[in-house]
Amino acid sequence: DIVLTQSPDTLSLSPGARATLSCRASQSVSSNSLDWYQHKPGQAPSLLIYGASTRAAGIPDRFIGSGSGTDFTLTISGLEPEDFAVYYCQQYSDSRFIFGPGTKVEI
Amino acid sequence: QGQLVQSGAEVRKPGASVKVSCWAPGYTFLNFDINWVRQAAGQGLEWMGWMNPSSGNTGYAQKFQGRVTMTRDISSSTAYMELISLRSEDTAVYYCTRAVARKSRYFDFWGQGTLVSVSS
Repeated sequence: DIVLTQSPDTLSLSPGARATLSCRASQSVSSNSLDWYQHKPGQAPSLLIYGASTRAAGIPDRFIGSGSGTDFTLTISGLEPEDFAVYYCQQYSDSRFIFGPGTKVEI
Repeated sequence: QGQLVQSGAEVRKPGASVKVSCWAPGYTFLNFDINWVRQAAGQGLEWMGWMNPSSGNTGYAQKFQGRVTMTRDISSSTAYMELISLRSEDTAVYYCTRAVARKSRYFDFWGQGTLVSVSS
């Protein structure tokens, strides 16, 4: 089974800073099947990036997804106050979805 | 629009069962799989399984095999997730999500979440 590892566990940054979040798969995965979600307390998660690099509708261009194979990155260039949240990568294969453990981006 | 509206919070005793509903107004219910994801307090997101509203076919995460059943009522565009033999570890917020399956597969819309509390 594929396992997703995210690092770091927590990222402490200031507004305006650049955040770099990593998602590593235990074996090579299709870029088409790697997605990123943002989750804020008390809210439902929301889709940020699908297919490793395509922003979902309405997502600002400060969110950039990249990577292939086993290593994927979510970069947030210029953190806004509303960006402080937990970010999950997700992968689909063999009719199953798998979430990484998440990275918390905090002030 | 892909709105998903879930039923309200539930409280159950260990060993009981719970059935959460997910109403899908605003889009063609039959065209998108419904998946269920849960989050226990202080934990990450956990995928539980999927259901195809058109065929009724389902697929469950191995962890929940034998305890979860996902069904639907086409006439009301509503999906259901039933979890039996509840234990305290099942206390979580349960989300239904709409799955897009094109070149990529992802969850584009989420319900607001349903808190299920299991306590004696």
